[in-house]
Amino acid sequence: GAGVSQSPSNKVTEKGKDVELRCDPISGHTALYWYRQRLGQGLEFLIYFQGNSAPDKSGLPSDRFSAERTGESVSTLTIQRTQQEDSAVYLCASSLNGRGGQTDTQYFGPGTRLTVL
Amino acid sequence: GNSVTQMEGPVTLSEEAFLTINCTYTATGYPSLFWYVQYPGEGLQLLLKATKADDKGSNKGFEATYRKETTSFHLEKGSVQVSDSAVYFCARSYGNKLVFGAGTILRVKS
Repeated sequence: GAGVSQSPSNKVTEKGKDVELRCDPISGHTALYWYRQRLGQGLEFLIYFQGNSAPDKSGLPSDRFSAERTGESVSTLTIQRTQQEDSAVYLCASSLNGRGGQTDTQYFGPGTRLTVL
Repeated sequence: GNSVTQMEGPVTLSEEAFLTINCTYTATGYPSLFWYVQYPGEGLQLLLKATKADDKGSNKGFEATYRKETTSFHLEKGSVQVSDSAVYFCARSYGNKLVFGAGTILRVKS
């Protein structure tokens, strides 16, 4: 597609439920990133995929968070047993080759706004 | 560390006023520096970037210069327009990821 797309755009769930968020990167981009943006705060890095390499999971806040990516296509971020502090906008980005961010521009999707009641 | 600090908002200006949004970063490694903008109801977009010291990024009348000696990357525009109203995020690269500031809301009144 023309840009990074994410679905759903909004998700309201009850505490304790599991949620899945989807990201479709720009075609041909080998690198994919997930970030979280809490209200009034900057973006926090969650996880990074680069081709077939092992993902960098260093930003995942707890073992309730996991993400998968099949090849160089769609990624799914799963949050199990959601808590109210998980409420945030979850942003996905992709870049051409993810070379350490030095010259590689990340293109962001519109985000999924998650509200945990 | 690898943090980015930018001035708190909201910043409210009249149309055609001069804009400065301050941004400083921790001097770990040799990062690339970025300004991203988020217009109301839209996703985050790259506004400009600079990849090494003394580089100047520019786009849409906005400029920022990579100052290694002061670890700063302040965003400037000579004459803002109402359409510039948005949230502006400063960011630095850190390995494979971007580290963002908290964002600065800019409101431009006509």
